[in-house]
This record gives sequence, C-alpha cells and structure tokens, in this order.
Amino acid sequence: DTGVSQDPRHKITKRGQNVTFRCDPISEHNRLYWYRQTLGQGPEFLTYFQNEAQLEKSRLLSDRFSAERPKGSFSTLEIQRTEQGDSAMYLCASSPTLRWGGGETQYFGPGTRLLVL
Amino acid sequence: TQLLEQSPQFLSIQEGENLTVYCNSSSVFSSLQWYRQEPGEGPVLLVTVVTGGEVKKLKRLTFQFGDARKDSSLHITAAQPGDTGLYLCAGEYGTDSWGKLQFGAGTQVVVTP
Repeated sequence: DTGVSQDPRHKITKRGQNVTFRCDPISEHNRLYWYRQTLGQGPEFLTYFQNEAQLEKSRLLSDRFSAERPKGSFSTLEIQRTEQGDSAMYLCASSPTLRWGGGETQYFGPGTRLLVL
Repeated sequence: TQLLEQSPQFLSIQEGENLTVYCNSSSVFSSLQWYRQEPGEGPVLLVTVVTGGEVKKLKRLTFQFGDARKDSSLHITAAQPGDTGLYLCAGEYGTDSWGKLQFGAGTQVVVTP
C-alpha cells in the first residue's frame, strides 16, 4: 500500500499527558498537511509543510501543538499537556507539489483518533 | 469556523432515488473539491472543479460549479447503498490559500436498500 499512513490509528490518553502522532506521506510528495476533525464537522486546516519547511500554522494551533517534518519525508504532530477539547480525529494529507491556480489533489490518510479523558 | 455552508446536513433516501447536496460560500472559490468520507477513514477526493459553470460527471454523480464560483452542487442519480457516506465540499480562496482547503461541515447521506 503506497497511500498516506498514520500511526497510531487510535490513542486514548489522560488530560495533561503528551501525545505524538506520525504521518508518512506518499513517497516524493513535497507538501504535507495536518487537519483536525471533530464530530459533526469537516476537517479544519492546522498546518502544512513544503518539504521540511513549515510554511503556515493556523490560529487553531495553540502553543501546545508542534509539528515537524525533519527530513522532508514523514511528519510528527505533538500535543503537550492534552486537554479534553483536543479530542478529535487528526488527519494528514499529502500532495505532489503546488499547482498554479490551486486545485491540487490532496491524498488523505486514515487519521488518528484521539480521546482525552 | 467554516466558511462554506453545506445543505442539507443529513439526507436519508431509498435505493434508486435521486439526491442533491449543496455547497455555498459568500466568497469566490479559486477551486472547489468534493470528497466522500466513510466512518473511521480519511476523505477521498471525488472531483475538482475550477471553472465557473463547469459540469463534471463521474458515473452516477454530477458536479456543477456555479457561474460566479461561489456555489456548487453534487447530484447522485439512482442512489445505491454504496453511496452512503459523508460528502464534504472543500474550497480554496485566492492565491494565498492554494493548497489550504476550507471544508464545509458535510452532508451525511444514508441510502437504504
């Protein structure tokens, strides 16, 4: 399977603990995105990378959140001091490169479902 | 906060019936995409539209992009149980937003045999 993979698929943690999620994009995809989806809502953009450079962070991403893509391949999303409001599905997507005019296809992974107790 | 409005929020129909899902925005899209998402999975792209007035067909699915590029619709003909899922529209707004998708809240479609 050469699609986007995410690990773990499910994570249950206690409030105040730190968690880290991993995303492996499709090979040779330059752009990598993180989204968060809560129940009954569509995904919300969090941040994205062009190769190893993090180009933008949403205002949704508080200081407790940090994302990295150290070698321009896989990415990690860490949440420190988790809160119950962090409970959501965290989705990763990748695309080959930015297409002029937009409309590039983003390929989504299966997501990591986080439950903070 | 979602910038796109999708309607209806929920749609339950019998197999063989037709359905239409709508996506509206007060701003002009540079492009708009439709995705389908099944429980526990990530969204899967169905179509991308970029030109006002554009119509695309994917088997029994017909996608329309409004002339002013502010709205779109997805029409399914003779729905089947396999069409059940969450249908999401996602748009890009202008050059600063290329690649950053803004999603609607989705329309949950249930097709019963």
